[in-house]
Amino acid sequence: GENVEQHPSTLSVQEGDSAVIKCTYSDSASNYFPWYKQELGKRPQLIIDIRSNVGEKKDQRIAVTLNKTAKHFSLHITETQPEDSAVYFCAARTSGSARQLTFGSGTQLTVLP
Amino acid sequence: GAGVSQSPSNKVTEKGKDVELRCDPISGHTALYWYRQSLGQGLEFLIYFQGNSAPDKSGLPSDRFSAERTGGSVSTLTIQRTQQEDSAVYLCASSLGFSGGSEQFFGPGTRLTVL
Repeated sequence: GENVEQHPSTLSVQEGDSAVIKCTYSDSASNYFPWYKQELGKRPQLIIDIRSNVGEKKDQRIAVTLNKTAKHFSLHITETQPEDSAVYFCAARTSGSARQLTFGSGTQLTVLP
Repeated sequence: GAGVSQSPSNKVTEKGKDVELRCDPISGHTALYWYRQSLGQGLEFLIYFQGNSAPDKSGLPSDRFSAERTGGSVSTLTIQRTQQEDSAVYLCASSLGFSGGSEQFFGPGTRLTVL
C-alpha cells in the first residue's frame, strides 16, 4: 500500500519568513495530494490540493509543488503569520482507490511573532 | 449548511466497556470515513463506506472494532472491550464520493479516554 513520509515534524519560523514542508510517497499510481491544516483542538481542514497532471498550484500565500519522478511534494507558505501556526498534514491517494487518503505524520508549524 | 457532526464530543470509559461513537455526514455525501488520531500523531485510516457497497474495513486494528452505516447516512463506530491503547480522537469525514479528488470534510472528532 501507499506510504507517506513527512518532514520536518516540527518547524519554527519568524513571522514574515517562509515555511516549507516536504512529503514523499511510495506508490507511483498516486494522483491526488491534499494538504490539511489542523489548529489546536480543531478538525483538519483542506487548505490546498494538487493533482498529478500539474506541477505547481498557488493560492495566495500558499503553494504546493509536485515532482512525480521523485515522488515528492511540498507545501510552501510565504509571509508567514502567527495564525499559520498549526499542524499540517500531507496526504496521498492512489488512482483507482477511492477508499481513503494515506496521511503523513504531520508537521507542527510555529510562527514566532 | 451543516458540516459533519460527531457525538459525543468526549467519552470517558472504563477498560473493558463497550463504546459507540456516532457520525452524521454532510447531506448528500455518499462516502464516509473513520480515522483515529492518537496524541501528537497523524491520522490513521480505520474504515470507509461508499454508497451501498461493502465497506473497506482494512484499517480496523482488531476485531473489537466495527462500524456500520445505516440508510447510507449516519454511521456508528463501536469499540468492544475497550483497552487503554484505544484512547485517541476518533475523526469522521465525508465526501461526495468516488471521484479523482473529492475533498474530505472532517467532523470535530470524539475524544475517547479509556481509564
